[in-house]
Formats: sequence, structure tokens, C-alpha cells
Amino acid sequence: GAGVSQSPSNKVTEKGKDVELRCDPISGHTALYWYRQSLGQGLEFLIYFQGNSAPDKSGLPSDRFSAERTGGSVSTLTIQRTQQEDSAVYLCASSRTGLTGNTIYFGEGSWLTVV
Amino acid sequence: AQSVAQPEDQVNVAEGNPLTVKCTYSVSGNPYLFWYVQYPNRGLQFLLKYITGDNLVKGSYGFEAEFNKSQTSFHLKKPSALVSDSALYFCAVRDSGGNNRLAFGKGNQVVVIP
Repeated sequence: GAGVSQSPSNKVTEKGKDVELRCDPISGHTALYWYRQSLGQGLEFLIYFQGNSAPDKSGLPSDRFSAERTGGSVSTLTIQRTQQEDSAVYLCASSRTGLTGNTIYFGEGSWLTVV
Repeated sequence: AQSVAQPEDQVNVAEGNPLTVKCTYSVSGNPYLFWYVQYPNRGLQFLLKYITGDNLVKGSYGFEAEFNKSQTSFHLKKPSALVSDSALYFCAVRDSGGNNRLAFGKGNQVVVIP
């Protein structure tokens, strides 16, 4: 596609429920990232996928968070047993490769509110 | 680990005046530096980056940034600000050593006053 596509754009969920957030990267991009943006925390790195390599999960805040990338393209970020502190904007991004000089392009984000 | 500092929370500037948004960085290797802009309720939009070469980098919408290795800075500039430039600006750095993370500063709110 023309840009990174994320869905849903907005999600309100009850505390304790599971949520899934989807990301469709730019076509042909092998590297995919998830970040979280929340008030007071700025932009936090969550997870990184590059091709068929094992993902870098070092930014996931707890074991309630997981992500997968199927077929090297679409990715799903899953938050289990959501808590109010999970309320944030979840931003997906992609780059042509994982090389550090490549530009990383962001989607519009999925705005998650846990009530 | 790499890090970025954006010392000002908010930058106010009159329309037509020069705009500067400050950024300093810390990395162990060579830095790859980026600026992004975020408009209200939108994602991050890429403005420009420094990888190597000329220290002055030109980007989208008339923005430019100057890489200064001795001062470890990468300030964003625009000669004449527009009201439509009012947004949140993020500086980011990536270590050339191959670290997967793009480390962001806390962001600067720019307000251009008509």
C-alpha cells in the first residue's frame, strides 16, 4: 500500500478484556516496528521484526503483550487482560530493510482506551 | 544506549520569524538522526534525516537541520514559520552499530502565532 495502515483507528475496551491491533506495512518493507505513545512516557519502543529473524521483543512491558508477524507482512499486537495503564496510542512503522540508515515510516496509530 | 534530549517543552514563534527546535543526542557509535512531526490526532510524519555527508540536511516543507558532531546536536530550523507548522516535533537517533531501536526525544510543541 501507499503507507502503513493500522486498524482499528480507535478502540475502547473494558479492563480485563483482550485486544488485537493490526498493522499492514508498506509493501516490500521487510522491517516492522511497534511503538507506544502515552502521556508522560513519550514514544516507547515495543518490538521489532526483520524478515525471518527472531523478533526483538525487548521493549514489551509485560507478558500480557505479544506480537506476531505472519508471512513477513501483516503484524498483530495483542494485549491480554488490558489494564487502564495500557491506554495509549499504538504506532506501527515499517522500513525498507532493517539497516539503521533506512527511513522508518509510521502509520496513523491505534488509539486504545481501557475503561 | 542511545538517547535524545529536546530541552524545551514548547517553542513559541511569530509567523514569518525563524523557527528553531533544539535536539542533542548521545550514541556510542556514529549517529543516524531523524526529525518527525506529529499533527493533532495523527501519526508521525518523516521530515528529514542525517546519515552521512553534508552537515546541513534539507527536508520537507522547507525544514532543514544541521548536524554538529562536536556539540552532538541536530537542531531543526525553518527560515520563516507558518501557522500550519504548529505541531509536535520529535527528534530521534539510531546507533550505526545496528541497534534496532529508534530512540525518541520527548517532543517539542511548536506554536506559531499569527
